[in-house]
Amino acid sequence: QVHLVESGGGVVQPGRSLRLSCAASGFTITNYGIHWVRQAPGKGLEWVAVISYDGNNKYYADSVKGRFTISRDTSKNTVYLQMNSLRGEDTAMYYCATRPPSDYWGQGTLVTVSS
Amino acid sequence: DIQMTQSPLSLSASAGDRVTISCRASQGIGNYLAWYQQKPGKVPKLLISAASTLQSGVPSRFSGSGSGTDFTLTISSLQPEDVATYYCQKYDSAPKTFGQGTKVEIK
Repeated sequence: QVHLVESGGGVVQPGRSLRLSCAASGFTITNYGIHWVRQAPGKGLEWVAVISYDGNNKYYADSVKGRFTISRDTSKNTVYLQMNSLRGEDTAMYYCATRPPSDYWGQGTLVTVSS
Repeated sequence: DIQMTQSPLSLSASAGDRVTISCRASQGIGNYLAWYQQKPGKVPKLLISAASTLQSGVPSRFSGSGSGTDFTLTISSLQPEDVATYYCQKYDSAPKTFGQGTKVEIK
């Protein structure tokens, strides 16, 4: 059974960093691209970043480009989102999901950027 | 970058009504279009991929159509359990942008 479990969220001050993890089970991330999607409180879905099944291609939304980095550890079947220079507008629930069309989603991890 | 525009952003209809949601891409995306349903406090659920392919287990009252720049999600007979926000997403290439969402309510 496919599962995605996010972790690493929390409260962080503006300008600081946070690393989110997305642990996959029931499939191997070398067969599927994984992407991150976020949702600010009361707002819509915003696509953030994707890493391809072979790890060779990584793409980012303009809103996070240069600040966020997506990576993976195939030995742990886990994808990461390193978030640097965090801003208030990065406050959101962060979901990882299988590459779109996304039939599998995690439950999300909440990131709050506040002083 | 290609923009995805949904309309309307909200609607209220009676149970049994036919509901149509539009999603327009600013450039052609072929049929690389997915529709998701998100109920309050829940994770998004994939309803339709490739513009018109209904996912397994999704009620047949949901259907999708379109290609290129204009796409439609139709609920043929709105049910109370369909109260949710619906999103389209392009996935032909990055950025894999979502539409703004359409909130569907029951009158």
